Amino acid sequence: AQTVTQSQPEMSVQEAETVTLSCTYDTSENNYYLFWYKQPPSRQMILVIRQEAYKQQNATENRFSVNFQKAAKSFSLKISDSQLGDTAMYFCAFMNRNAGNMLTFGGGTRLMVKP
Amino acid sequence: NAGVTQTPKFQVLKTGQSMTLQCAQDMNHEYMSWYRQDPGMGLRLIHYSVGAGITDQGEVPNGYNVSRSTTEDFPLRLLSAAPSQTSVYFCASSYGTSGVNEQFFGPGTRLTVL
Repeated sequence: AQTVTQSQPEMSVQEAETVTLSCTYDTSENNYYLFWYKQPPSRQMILVIRQEAYKQQNATENRFSVNFQKAAKSFSLKISDSQLGDTAMYFCAFMNRNAGNMLTFGGGTRLMVKP
Repeated sequence: NAGVTQTPKFQVLKTGQSMTLQCAQDMNHEYMSWYRQDPGMGLRLIHYSVGAGITDQGEVPNGYNVSRSTTEDFPLRLLSAAPSQTSVYFCASSYGTSGVNEQFFGPGTRLTVL
């Protein structure tokens, strides 16, 4: 079994600044992906970014990037030029590719972007 | 494509009642799964399926049944609802071992058990 830990229950950032959300995980699997999902008040789960474990290069998607440290089992999300629309819950998730692509989620970080 | 659809959006049950939460996807995904989200927490896996006729338990399966008779549909049955099952339920689907490995989520069903 795997576990995912997000140690920051809440964070805030000023608009246009940069913020980093932390995530660590524990697993014995070799075939896995890592994800960050955003959940706004509408509660829809929105994929932010994906990282394949076999890739050493950190994934980037516009203002979003990750710092993937496989040996340390760390997967942090950096949001640059924060916007008011980034206000949401953010969940780190581990996908076990050997078990139906099932996801194990962290407890979430509530991010507030202040004007 | 409608993506992943769930019905109903909201439901209130009394303790002991049974009901089925519906989930359908039109993306020809092999894998489907059910998660529950309790207040202030991440999603937890209830049951999942890797294809028609194949299901398996997740982290919190007690009190729930599933079946997968078609690729498109994956209903979740509550046999005898309990207040502990008050939660938001999400259905998700993805391709199997090939293709884009991303879970697509439905909009969720908010269930209250009195």
